[in-house]
Formats: sequence, structure tokens, C-alpha cells
Amino acid sequence: EVQLVQSGAEVKKPGESLKISCKSSGYSFTTSWIGWVRQMPGKGLEWMGSIYPGDSYTRYSPSFQGQVTVSADKSISTVYLQWSRLKASDTATYYCARAEVTLIGVVRGNGMDVWGQGTTVTVSS
Amino acid sequence: EIVMTQSPATLYVSPGERATISCRASQSVNGNLAWYQQKPGQAPRLLIYGASARATGIPDRFSGSGSVTEFTLTISSLQSEDFAVYYCQQYNDWPPSYTFGQGTKVEIK
Repeated sequence: EVQLVQSGAEVKKPGESLKISCKSSGYSFTTSWIGWVRQMPGKGLEWMGSIYPGDSYTRYSPSFQGQVTVSADKSISTVYLQWSRLKASDTATYYCARAEVTLIGVVRGNGMDVWGQGTTVTVSS
Repeated sequence: EIVMTQSPATLYVSPGERATISCRASQSVNGNLAWYQQKPGQAPRLLIYGASARATGIPDRFSGSGSVTEFTLTISSLQSEDFAVYYCQQYNDWPPSYTFGQGTKVEIK
């Protein structure tokens, strides 16, 4: 069974650092993209960035470039999302999701077909 | 950046009726369009990819159509478990980037 299991809820103070994780199992970790999606309380879905674990190539949404870092550890099939200095506005639920997408002349993909359960991050003084 | 616009924001439907949600892209997405369902407290679930292909395990009352910039998600006969928020998403870029619509909430009439 293909699964993405995320780390648990976090409560942090503004200015603190944080790294949350997304552990993959049941498929070839290095040949699928993993993306991170933010959902602020009561709001919609926002794509933050994606990584290709095979070579750690990473692409970020312009809205999140420089604000977060996405990384991967192939040895334990885990992708990370980290902040160096949290703000209250980072309070949200964060989801990781697998995306099968290829470029063979044109882009073709299957959307984000498997999702983690979400990690709720609360940033408050 | 491609902007995705969904309509309506809220849709009131009676059980057993048809629901239709629209999604417009600011430029062509070459059929690289997905639909997701999200219920309160749950992660999103992929319904449709490639504009019209149903994901694994998705009932055939869900269908997707459209091309270029105009897309539609249709739920042919709403069941109680279908009341949720629905999002469209484009993924027509390389390296991959994604944009979601703002969501459509389907509520009981």
C-alpha cells in the first residue's frame, strides 16, 4: 500500500525554527515528485513547493520561495519542510502529496494521487 | 503564473440531484487538470486527473470534462457523502508547479 505518513502536530513560538517530515512507503521513492501544500485555517489549498527525491531537484511557488526549504533523505524515504524563523502567519495545516508527472514532449501527470494525513503547525507567543 | 477560477463559491444541491462545478484557467493547461474532494478534518482526495480520467476507486457518478481553459466537474446524483469542498488544480508546467482554484463548497439544499 502506498502511504505518506507525516510527523505530528507542532506548537512553536514566533522566531523559532521547525522541520516537519513526510515518510513514504509502498512505491519507488526516488521516481515520484513529492509536493507540500498549505491550508490556513478555514482557507483553501496552496502549493508551496515540490521535490524530486531522485536528484533532490526542488521547485518552489513564488509565494514561498525563500520562506521555506524542502529537502529529502533517500536513505529513509522521507521528505522535509522546514522554516528557519516561524511567524504567526505560518499557522496552518501542511500536507505532503505524491505527484506522478513526466515531460515527454509535453507535460503529462496523474495529479497528486496520495496525500499525507496533514501536520498542524501553530505559531503563537 | 496560471490563475484558476472556480464557480460558484457555494452550491446548494438536494440529495439525488446533479451538481456541476466550473473551473477556468487564465491560459491553456493542455488537459493537465485535476479535481479534488476535501471533507472537514481530512486530507484532499484525488477524484479526476487529465481533465477526465477518474482516479482509482472513484465512483462513476463523478465525471470531468473540458479542455484548453474551461473545465467542469459533474456529480451525477449527489449522495450524502459527497457534500464537501471541491478544488480544481492545474499542473501544466515543467519542472512541475501547481495552482489550485479557490474551492467550491457543495452544501445540502
